[in-house]
Amino acid sequence: EDQVTQSPEALRLQEGESSSLNCSYTVSGLRGLFWYRQDPGKGPEFLFTLYSAGEEKEKERLKATLTKKESFLHITAPKPEDSATYLCAVQAVGRNSGNTPLVFGKGTRLSVIA
Amino acid sequence: GAVVSQHPSRVICKSGTSVKIECRSLDFQATTMFWYRQFPKQSLMLMATSNEGSKATYEQGVEKDKFLINHASLTLSTLTVTSAHPEDSSFYICSGKTGGYEQYFGPGTRLTVT
Repeated sequence: EDQVTQSPEALRLQEGESSSLNCSYTVSGLRGLFWYRQDPGKGPEFLFTLYSAGEEKEKERLKATLTKKESFLHITAPKPEDSATYLCAVQAVGRNSGNTPLVFGKGTRLSVIA
Repeated sequence: GAVVSQHPSRVICKSGTSVKIECRSLDFQATTMFWYRQFPKQSLMLMATSNEGSKATYEQGVEKDKFLINHASLTLSTLTVTSAHPEDSSFYICSGKTGGYEQYFGPGTRLTVT
């Protein structure tokens, strides 16, 4: 069974204090690993897709990395507006190309204090 | 990025009534749309996969006669919660898939059944 575990469950940072969020996964065959940001009462906002171990992607203060067992979302010098829940999801390779369901982790609730 | 809208954003209904939620892809054609449910502080749980012009595929434990899904066009999918009960109160989120593997999510609909 495909599984995604995110840690920590919650993280409180001072503005400017860099840190990393972890996403550990087990999947029969990885098609892609996805990072989303979700603000309270809103739908998830797409951030990154990673397809293979060693791949890295960056967007502003965020950088996502991938190994065969886990992904990290590094946040550099965070600002209060980065406060949100960050969700990780994996999609397995399946018979129906692209339509195997995303399996989500429970997310990390990030709070950045000014 | 691709934009998905949902309507309504919030709805309150009485127990036993039916509620319809619309999901539209605004700037892309979504051959596949997905419906998720999210309880407070929990992750997204896939309810069903909806393909344009064909019957939806429901996840195990989701009653297809209770949660009616219609994907009538490449830009519109609807979810109807029939005979709603308080335990159906939740945050319902749809997503659409473009030609790639990424899913783009709507803003969600908060359903409260009294």
